[in-house]
Amino acid sequence: QVKMVESGGGVVQPERSLRLSCAASGFTFRNYGMHWVRQAPGKGLEWVAVIWYDGSHQYYADSVKGRFTISRDNSMDTLYLQMNSLRVEDSAVYYCARGRAPRGDFDYWGQGTLVTVSS
Amino acid sequence: QSALTQPASVSGSPGQSITISCTGTSSDVDIYTFVSFVSWYQQPPGKAPKLLIYEVSNRPSRVSNRFSGSKSDDTASLTISGLQAEDEADYYCSSYITNSTPHWVFGGGTKLTVL
Repeated sequence: QVKMVESGGGVVQPERSLRLSCAASGFTFRNYGMHWVRQAPGKGLEWVAVIWYDGSHQYYADSVKGRFTISRDNSMDTLYLQMNSLRVEDSAVYYCARGRAPRGDFDYWGQGTLVTVSS
Repeated sequence: QSALTQPASVSGSPGQSITISCTGTSSDVDIYTFVSFVSWYQQPPGKAPKLLIYEVSNRPSRVSNRFSGSKSDDTASLTISGLQAEDEADYYCSSYITNSTPHWVFGGGTKLTVL
């Protein structure tokens, strides 16, 4: 069955960096676009970034543009999110999600990894 | 403020039906794209979101047929029939939008309470 497992979260100081990973299984990873979506404590969902199935295109929310980089390794079935210059407001649970279609929805989600930015 | 507007909360008794609305309220939201690509997600407390409805009214095979989606003009709706206690969760609408570059937006979420 489709499964995605995020890792790499933790507590980090403002302005530091962190890299999240999402290990995928149960489907042909290289055929699907992949997203990161986050949820601050007690708040709603916020889309963060997308990467095309072949890694050829990446797009970001304005709130993270220039600080976060999404990437993937199709040989390892793994998605990444490199987060630099972290801010307190980046504290959230970060979910990886599979894109069902190029312009569409998120049909499977991981369980999430918590990132806390605090001094 | 979210680009998609949902009611903050709804409630219903077991066996009843409820409807949650989702309206594109931001100038960033192209109405044509919104009403074509809106999707709905269920998030039980402490769990990850789950896709319920995609492209307005399509339901994945793993989702109960008690969940249905529709649209009218510039508003999308999620209806849950035969309410059950396990339906108590947060519900989010979402859509792909394209103003300058592709991106996605979510509604603020609706908390469903089963009385």
